[in-house]
Amino acid sequence: QQPVQSPQAVILREGEDAVINCSSSKALYSVHWYRQKHGEAPVFLMILLKGGEQKGHEKISASFNEKKQQSSLYLTASQLSYSGTYFCGSSGNTPLVFGKGTRLSVIA
Amino acid sequence: DVKVTQSSRYLVKRTGEKVFLECVQDMDHENMFWYRQDPGLGLRLIYFSYDVKMKEKGDIPEGYSVSREKKERFSLILESASTNQTSMYLCASSLLTGNNSPLHFGNGTRLTVT
Repeated sequence: QQPVQSPQAVILREGEDAVINCSSSKALYSVHWYRQKHGEAPVFLMILLKGGEQKGHEKISASFNEKKQQSSLYLTASQLSYSGTYFCGSSGNTPLVFGKGTRLSVIA
Repeated sequence: DVKVTQSSRYLVKRTGEKVFLECVQDMDHENMFWYRQDPGLGLRLIYFSYDVKMKEKGDIPEGYSVSREKKERFSLILESASTNQTSMYLCASSLLTGNNSPLHFGNGTRLTVT
């Protein structure tokens, strides 16, 4: 079952912050986050393997709440280069199932 | 850097044709996957393989088959192409079995079936 991402789309000005949420109705063993720019392949951002784990990558970080079966991606002080579609991928004991994506547009 | 190469960036085929989409990875990864991407639907898993000659159905396998004769190559086959198979097809690979290693995607093949 596909995880549910919210919001579906968001527009930010440079320097603003955003949060993208990913929820699953099934128990999660890990959560992946990817970013896809227009016309390009999805690129891996990070994996969260344990409940409660938080990770960071420059100004992009994520948390994983195993009990609530959800993960959130935090984008801080957004830059133009952050524009793209963000996908979460959730896994139980099967291959990754991806959400429908969140389209993020950062404008000057 | 891992490289996942899909043989065609764009393909146009006619209804009923047999279509082969090829994918090759150069980092000795165990696992390979085929996803299709459609607007508003995200990435949906068609087939995957955790080993040579092994294949498993994903969420939307109908109308597709796969072949993995060598570790580095994973082919997606549309037995008789139909217009509802017009889509972007993404191949991916990962190092470890299970879901604890990242997926590396190819650049995709945009298939149009007319």
